[in-house]
Amino acid sequence: EVQLVQSGAEVKKPGESLKISCKGSGYSFTSYWIGWVRQMPGKGLEWMGIIYPGDSDTRYSPSFQGQVTISADKSISTAYLQWSSLKASDTAMYYCARPRSGGTSYDAFDIWGQGTMVTVCS
Amino acid sequence: DIQMTQSPSSLSASVGDRVTITCRASQSISGYLNWYQQKPGKAPKLLIYAASSLQSGVPSRFSGSGSGTDFTLTISSLQPEDFATYYCQQSYSSPYTFGQGTKLEIK
Repeated sequence: EVQLVQSGAEVKKPGESLKISCKGSGYSFTSYWIGWVRQMPGKGLEWMGIIYPGDSDTRYSPSFQGQVTISADKSISTAYLQWSSLKASDTAMYYCARPRSGGTSYDAFDIWGQGTMVTVCS
Repeated sequence: DIQMTQSPSSLSASVGDRVTITCRASQSISGYLNWYQQKPGKAPKLLIYAASSLQSGVPSRFSGSGSGTDFTLTISSLQPEDFATYYCQQSYSSPYTFGQGTKLEIK
């Protein structure tokens, strides 16, 4: 079964760092892009960025460039989303997702992780 | 960035109704338009990709159409499990932006 399994919920203070994960299984991890999507409480979906684990080619939305870092460790089939200094406004659910087609970033996301809730409060 | 605008933002309908949701892109995106359904507390689910292709396992009452800048998602006969929020997304040009969502509620 193809699936993406994300790390658990996090509660952090402003200024702290954080790295959340998304582990792929049931497919060739290095052959598919993995994207990240933010959903703030009660709000819509926001496309953050996408990485190709095969060569670590990464693209960011301008809205998130410089605010987060997307990375991947292909040896353990895991993608990451990290912050160096969290803000209260980073409080949101974060989803990882995989496009339908291998090798293409410009396809619909057909496989989604279960989401990781990040809460930032003092 | 390409802006995606959905209308309406919310919609009340009854079981059995035919419902249409519209998505407009700020520039031409050819047929690179996807539709998702999201229920509370759940990850989004892909319904339609490439404007009109039905994702495997999705009921045939869902259909999509359009090209260029104007697209529609149609549910031919609403079922109780269809009450959810629907999002369009363009995958033509990075960043692959989403619409703001359409919340479909029971009348």
